[in-house]
Amino acid sequence: DTGVSQDPRHKITKRGQNVTFRCDPISEHNRLYWYRQTLGQGPEFLTYFQNEAQLEKSRLLSDRFSAERPKGSFSTLEIQRTEQGDSAMYLCATLTLAGLNTGELFFGEGSRLTVL
Amino acid sequence: DQQVKQNSPSLSVQEGRISILNCDYTNSMFDYFLWYKKYPAEGPTFLISISSIKDKNEDGRFTVFLNKSAKHLSLHIVPSQPGDSAVYFCAASAGSGNTGKLIFGQGTTLQVKP
Repeated sequence: DTGVSQDPRHKITKRGQNVTFRCDPISEHNRLYWYRQTLGQGPEFLTYFQNEAQLEKSRLLSDRFSAERPKGSFSTLEIQRTEQGDSAMYLCATLTLAGLNTGELFFGEGSRLTVL
Repeated sequence: DQQVKQNSPSLSVQEGRISILNCDYTNSMFDYFLWYKKYPAEGPTFLISISSIKDKNEDGRFTVFLNKSAKHLSLHIVPSQPGDSAVYFCAASAGSGNTGKLIFGQGTTLQVKP
């Protein structure tokens, strides 16, 4: 148990619906990341926060995706008007500033999205 | 464009023998490399990392070798144990050290047979 909690663990939705995932990080970790993993691929970077500030977004993050981290604590990732291509595992990870020396990202167990 | 490639989808070794997992990269700007392990239904967990200024880093049974001229790195696990059976991901970072913004390979599934 790395201490990074994600909810829900699995979401099944119909195309066109909106979904929201939540990540509760390890409390003292300043940086929070969202990654997406599809079958047979490694995780792909989506976006990251330093405390409450969203510092970078990947071009993979279309306008239908929005992420927030109010007050620098938990984070949410919302996908609007879901498409079948959004089906993937959405991983949250955190990193302390000290972890910049080792690269040790703490990943949560992920939220699996299935779009029918 | 796959900047980090793991060309072997799977590897099977006998318990006690050496496991060697390989990774190739194309971007010469990468300056930090990491290996993560993933069990089913769990998120990836960090194993070991290496800076581009080094050619070897060792941590217990795990050693990572970096060959910058060949843009190749490998993870050696000696001796391999059945509990090492998992998917292994190679990852790279560009910029000043670790940023947490990593580019991952496709992964190699390691099976260690008792």
